[in-house]
Amino acid sequence: GENVEQHPSTLSVQEGDSAVIKCTYSDSASNYFPWYKQELGKRPQLIIDIRSNVGEKKDQRIAVTLNKTAKHFSLHITETQPEDSAVYFCAGTDSWGKFQFGAGTQVVVTP
Amino acid sequence: DSGVTQTPKHLITATGQRVTLRCSPRSGDLSVYWYQQSLDQGLQFLIQYYNGEERAKGNILERFSAQQFPDLHSELNLSSLELGDSALYFCASSPRVQGFAGYTFGSGTRLTVV
Repeated sequence: GENVEQHPSTLSVQEGDSAVIKCTYSDSASNYFPWYKQELGKRPQLIIDIRSNVGEKKDQRIAVTLNKTAKHFSLHITETQPEDSAVYFCAGTDSWGKFQFGAGTQVVVTP
Repeated sequence: DSGVTQTPKHLITATGQRVTLRCSPRSGDLSVYWYQQSLDQGLQFLIQYYNGEERAKGNILERFSAQQFPDLHSELNLSSLELGDSALYFCASSPRVQGFAGYTFGSGTRLTVV
């Protein structure tokens, strides 16, 4: 089945700097890669996603890149703000379309 | 409001007891997924239902069971509870089994076993 690894587990950045989270997946048939943001005690919320036929997607300060050959995808957050502090989860789909989530990255944005 | 409703929001119970968590998916969504999130842990997949049928099983203990009813709401039953079962239990729904559809998560049920 699909196995998704996510790095780093913790990321501390200065406000205004960029943050990058990387994920690798094992199932070459995986074709959809969402990213979720979870604030403390709240539900995970979809922030951006990418399909396997696209190499990059942007939405304001966040972007996701996908390298199908290397089987890895990354989340990029530019001009980080304190409200970006949260846990971020990547996911890949298995053959049933079910998500396999990465272990999560705790992002801390310091003023 | 995400459209996925989970009840109750909080539950405190004693070891050895049984509880039922309820989830109503977003209108039109046929798939329901249950996840367990222990303190500072990731999202552990428990089980998936699609249109009333079990579709996939993850690391779900034998003490746990679930079902999806004809009106598409789902219930997760946890029995013989242990302290280690204390966690946030999330339900998520999506329109279909496969395809480019993100999950919509409910707000979760926080279970505390004392």
